[in-house]
Amino acid sequence: EAGVAQSPRYKIIEKRQSVAFWCNPISGHATLYWYQQILGQGPKLLIQFQNNGVVDDSQLPKDRFSAERLKGVDSTLKIQPAKLEDSAVYLCASRSGRHGPLNEKLFFGSGTQLSVL
Amino acid sequence: AQKVTQAQTEISVVEKEDVTLDCVYETRDTTYYLFWYKQPPSGELVFLIRRNSFDEQNEISGRYSWNFQKSTSSFNFTITASQVVDSAVYFCALSEDTGTASKLTFGTGTRLQVTL
Repeated sequence: EAGVAQSPRYKIIEKRQSVAFWCNPISGHATLYWYQQILGQGPKLLIQFQNNGVVDDSQLPKDRFSAERLKGVDSTLKIQPAKLEDSAVYLCASRSGRHGPLNEKLFFGSGTQLSVL
Repeated sequence: AQKVTQAQTEISVVEKEDVTLDCVYETRDTTYYLFWYKQPPSGELVFLIRRNSFDEQNEISGRYSWNFQKSTSSFNFTITASQVVDSAVYFCALSEDTGTASKLTFGTGTRLQVTL
């Protein structure tokens, strides 16, 4: 079974530039998450999708961050314009979306490491 | 609000030593799930275990064991006879049971360094 795919693996940009990350979840997984992991910290949820709808984006800095999952499969996360404090690893995760304890497990991609100079 | 505390920032042990990683959580929910994830240098978070709030039985899987105690809101992780390959950052996480809308709240992680 293929895992969660993310690209690019690394990205270096200057502040005020724009950047986009892509995620392809595990096939059939209805729930998709974007997490931000700043160096030395635990991942923090930015946004959660259920199919193509947003479930939770309460911690997404909406003045500069946006995300979409138009067809309920892959997703893109964009930052425009980037700030120095956006330097982090951006992790994508997916989950089957079916209710029940057996489906509580999130599968993570390897992440995109963003450096803003 | 949910909160997960991993007070140990970094632990160093010599191979074959046993090591325990602590995790303390806070939640108002009566139904919730606790997780441990491993993050090796490659960066991918690897699932280790999930435990629901109604199951306080301790679990052992090979060299790994988990001690869940609701009375102290703790979910500690022990590695027996540690190996160099165990070197990684370990995260404890908490998920509330909201059906399809569950999300993970992570602790700050404990970096484990196992040396020869």
